[in-house]
Parts: sequence; structure tokens; C-alpha cells
Amino acid sequence: QKEVEQDPGPLSVPEGAIVSLNCTYSNSAFQYFMWYRQYSRKGPELLMYTYSSGNKEDGRFTAQVDKSSKYISLFIRDSQPSDSATYLCAMWNNNDMRFGAGTRLTVKP
Amino acid sequence: EAGVTQFPSHSVIEKGQTVTLRCDPISGHDNLYWYRRVMGKEIKFLLHFVKESKQDESGMPNNRFLAERTGGTYSTLKVQPAELEDSGVYFCASSQGPGEELFFGEGSRLTVL
Repeated sequence: QKEVEQDPGPLSVPEGAIVSLNCTYSNSAFQYFMWYRQYSRKGPELLMYTYSSGNKEDGRFTAQVDKSSKYISLFIRDSQPSDSATYLCAMWNNNDMRFGAGTRLTVKP
Repeated sequence: EAGVTQFPSHSVIEKGQTVTLRCDPISGHDNLYWYRRVMGKEIKFLLHFVKESKQDESGMPNNRFLAERTGGTYSTLKVQPAELEDSGVYFCASSQGPGEELFFGEGSRLTVL
């Protein structure tokens, strides 16, 4: 079993849709949870960073962490074509970071 | 402020040859990481430097891979001799401290023929 499971998609939605991206993990020692966005031929860039269970909102983006279920989510409201990218979940365990496989999202105008 | 820079952006070599990838982290970032993404797989950790010391190299696949960070500034990752399965994108990232935001470079794409 992989430490971090993420459906690679691809996921295609119409502009304006709500997008839900999810990851599950097996290592309860993970403490910090992140979502990275990666455009084609670019490096990943940090989108959201959360520490504890609960919700964190930043504009159209909401990150949820449920440590009891070992489940994290990223919601994108009013999705735009510019949101088309690969979204990677990532989680820290002190010095160690693990990534999900990444979900490729396309938002169609 | 300059971000993490990597060189070369793309390298095509033949099996058995040697390639050296370079990463310049953000100035002042003591923590430097190497990751690799092979086709269709997730980004995987290779190793972590704190300044010039290897903090964790548990992700290095085998002894054909050698990473250095002399002087605690830029880092190199050498693959010698390269094999077909080494093809992928090698990402470098840096942070001020463990658990803090990682800033990634654009990656070095390695193709081994």
C-alpha cells in the first residue's frame, strides 16, 4: 500500500464548476498537509498549507484535513480555465515529505 | 528574489553515460531536497541536505546516484552510469526549515536512450 493515495484522473469539468480533489494516507505521523499546483513543464508551487484537522480557506480554494480518517481534500469553487493543472497533495513528517501521484485537472471554458 | 534554479532543463544521454544535474536553492535556505518523478508515477523523495550535510538519503535508488552540496550552497546530482529507468524529471526544492514551505525548481528532465 502506498503511503499517499491520490486518484491521478484526468478530471475534466466545465468552467464555474466546483472541483473536489482528495488524498488518503496511511502514516498517522504526518503532521503538515499541503496542496501543490503544477503547470506543464513547471515545478510544483505551494497552494495551501494546513497543520491540523479542519478547514482552511484562501479565496476560491478550501483545504480540509481529517486526521481521524487520514483524508485530505481540496475544493476549488468557481473553477477557471487557468486552474487547469496537476494538483499534488503532499504531507510532511518532520524531515520527510511524501507526495500523491497528482490529479490532472482540465477546466473547459 | 531568484527562485530555485536547475540546470540543465533537459538532458538526453545514452545508457552508460554520465549526467550531472545542478540545483541552486534560494539564497539563505539551508534545506535542499532532491525529488524525482518518473513517467506516470508520483514525485519521490531522493535526499535531503541541511547545509552541506546529508540529513536523509534514504530515497536514493542505488550507488549510481551521487549527490553533493559542497559549501552548503548549490547541489549537484550525478548519475553514473545512467540506465534507462533513470529517465524522469528531477526536481530540486529548498526551504528555510524542515516542515516549512518548499520552493521547487522547474525540474531537470533526463532522458536516457
